[in-house]
Amino acid sequence: GAVVSQHPSWVICKSGTSVKIECRSLDFQATTMFWYRQFPKQSLMLMATSNEGSKATYEQGVEKDKFLINHASLTLSTLTVTSAHPEDSSFYICSASWRTGELFFGEGSRLTVL
Amino acid sequence: GENVEQHPSTLSVQEGDSAVIKCTYSDSASNYFPWYKQELGKRPQLIIDIRSNVGEKKDQRIAVTLNKTAKHFSLHITETQPEDSAVYFCAASRGFQKLVFGTGTRLLVSP
Repeated sequence: GAVVSQHPSWVICKSGTSVKIECRSLDFQATTMFWYRQFPKQSLMLMATSNEGSKATYEQGVEKDKFLINHASLTLSTLTVTSAHPEDSSFYICSASWRTGELFFGEGSRLTVL
Repeated sequence: GENVEQHPSTLSVQEGDSAVIKCTYSDSASNYFPWYKQELGKRPQLIIDIRSNVGEKKDQRIAVTLNKTAKHFSLHITETQPEDSAVYFCAASRGFQKLVFGTGTRLLVSP
């Protein structure tokens, strides 16, 4: 199957700093990538849909100025959490859609904001 | 938009028993229904999926059934093993569009 790589796998930062998370499709071109957030013991909630070469589409309630998404190439999408605060601490997971419609997930990035 | 409900939220079974998890969806245009298994701190892993042109699909001990009329689908795990213990998520989408996940079921299989 397709491989999606995400890093860093975990990051700890101070409140007010920015954190960038990278998501790469290693063996296929992903025109669309999705970013999810998962709080402890909860489900995966879609944050935004990232399309190569265009602006991301954010879900209702997700601050686009706080969660900056860039999809500069067919194999790379990045999520930057700007001015992070403790309430942003969560598990962030990217995914890319394979041509069959199956979704492949990255390993996830656990963000802890102190 | 799509809304996916899942139950039960927790399920405890004895090793060897069967486990059934049920989901309902709201968007009649949804046509792709995957099931994921997620272990603590790890990414979700696809275990089986079904498309709307099929009513049932089976892969060894795992099966999924879909009732389009009632808009519900179920995951069936037979002969459960302790290593089946995890959180299971159902999801629904229209084709290649965004997946909407259910709330998850924590399955515990006791030896």
